[in-house]
Amino acid sequence: GDSVTQMEGPVTLSEEAFLTINCTYTATGYPSLFWYVQYPGEGLQLLLKATKADDKGSNKGFEATYRKETTSFHLEKGSVQVSDSAVYFCALSGGGGADGLTFGKGTHLIIQP
Amino acid sequence: NAGVTQTPKFQVLKTGQSMTLQCAQDMNHNSMYWYRQDPGMGLRLIYYSASEGTTDKGEVPNGYNVSRLNKREFSLRLESAAPSQTSVYFCATSRGGGGPTFPSSYEQYFGPGTRLTVT
Repeated sequence: GDSVTQMEGPVTLSEEAFLTINCTYTATGYPSLFWYVQYPGEGLQLLLKATKADDKGSNKGFEATYRKETTSFHLEKGSVQVSDSAVYFCALSGGGGADGLTFGKGTHLIIQP
Repeated sequence: NAGVTQTPKFQVLKTGQSMTLQCAQDMNHNSMYWYRQDPGMGLRLIYYSASEGTTDKGEVPNGYNVSRLNKREFSLRLESAAPSQTSVYFCATSRGGGGPTFPSSYEQYFGPGTRLTVT
């Protein structure tokens, strides 16, 4: 079946540091890929998405490129802020399984001032 | 616009009790989903509904039932709660998706969650 693997945290960085959160996937079809963010006590919000190979999703300074050859969708940001502290989930849909998203386990990001 | 709403926000049940979690959306979306979130497990799909009148099992459907009451509402029922069902439950919606044959590339919008504890 479909699966998503992402680095597990917590990941602790200083403000203005460069961020990379790795995400790789296994899917039988041609999935769409997503990054969601969850702030404490809240539901998930879409951060960015890409629907086909070589697409780049971007939002709020975050970027991720859909790499079919390496089955990856790594999340990057050039300069993180304290307000970026949250849990980040990589997810896919349309890989060949049931409708709905397949999630990674989440990466807890902590940004220190 | 409220988006996706869930009730209740918190609930404590005793083993064997039943309850229904409610979800409603005002986004005019066709597809609705129920997930559970457990520490270190990410979110896992319980059931989904690709359109009014249809429901399908997800990854972890055992112990749950669902009803797609109309386009706006999708409820999740625990008939006999067990401690293993202690979790945070999220409802989500998306524009499209035709079920297993035509899964959706549209993003999903999540409600705020229901934190359920079964003792």
